[in-house]
Amino acid sequence: QVQLVQSGAEVKKPGSSVKVSCKASGGTFSSYAVSWVRQAPGQGLEWMGGIIPFFGTPKYAEKFQGRVSITTDESTNTAYMELNSLRSEDTAVYYCARGGRGIAVAGVLDYWGQGTLVTVSS
Amino acid sequence: DIVMTQSPDSLAVSLGERATINCKSSQNILDSSNNKNHLAWYQQKPGQPPKLLMYWASTRESGVPDRFSGSGSGTDFTLTISSLQAEDVAVYYCQEYFSSPLFTFGPGTKVHIK
Repeated sequence: QVQLVQSGAEVKKPGSSVKVSCKASGGTFSSYAVSWVRQAPGQGLEWMGGIIPFFGTPKYAEKFQGRVSITTDESTNTAYMELNSLRSEDTAVYYCARGGRGIAVAGVLDYWGQGTLVTVSS
Repeated sequence: DIVMTQSPDSLAVSLGERATINCKSSQNILDSSNNKNHLAWYQQKPGQPPKLLMYWASTRESGVPDRFSGSGSGTDFTLTISSLQAEDVAVYYCQEYFSSPLFTFGPGTKVHIK
């Protein structure tokens, strides 16, 4: 049974950065897509970006281009999402999720982490 | 970019009754190469991460009760809960994965008990 375990809650100042980790156990990220999705308080799901092995490089939603970086470390089965230049509107729960193998199913997110609350406040 | 919309925003249904959620994409998400619609449905209960219910618009994820069904093609899709149970109270999201490697969620539909 695949489990994605994320790092703990963070409180950050505006203008700073946050890096959230997501470790896979009982499975691997190798050959699978990884996405990061956030959810502001009381709001819906927002896809931020992800890595699909076929493409090699991460892809980001236009809204986050230049401010987000998504990486994976296959040696430790861990994915990371770093968000820079934080502002209050970035306060949200951040989720990692595993997508399927192959481009066609990369967006079918079948395993999710428990979520990491990032609070941005002065 | 593909824009996903859902209706209604909120839905009150009596226990045992049918719940119907609609999802519309701004562009066709039917892949002509495999005749499959690149649409998934997720269920999110309060305080929990989303859970995959359906993919390819109508294929139920393993373990999902058969009271959940998906239909539609092209730009218009529906998630139906045939007989609402108390544990189905949640927010339901559709998501397109046609524009891979970029993906878009719908705004969500909240289902509660009448």
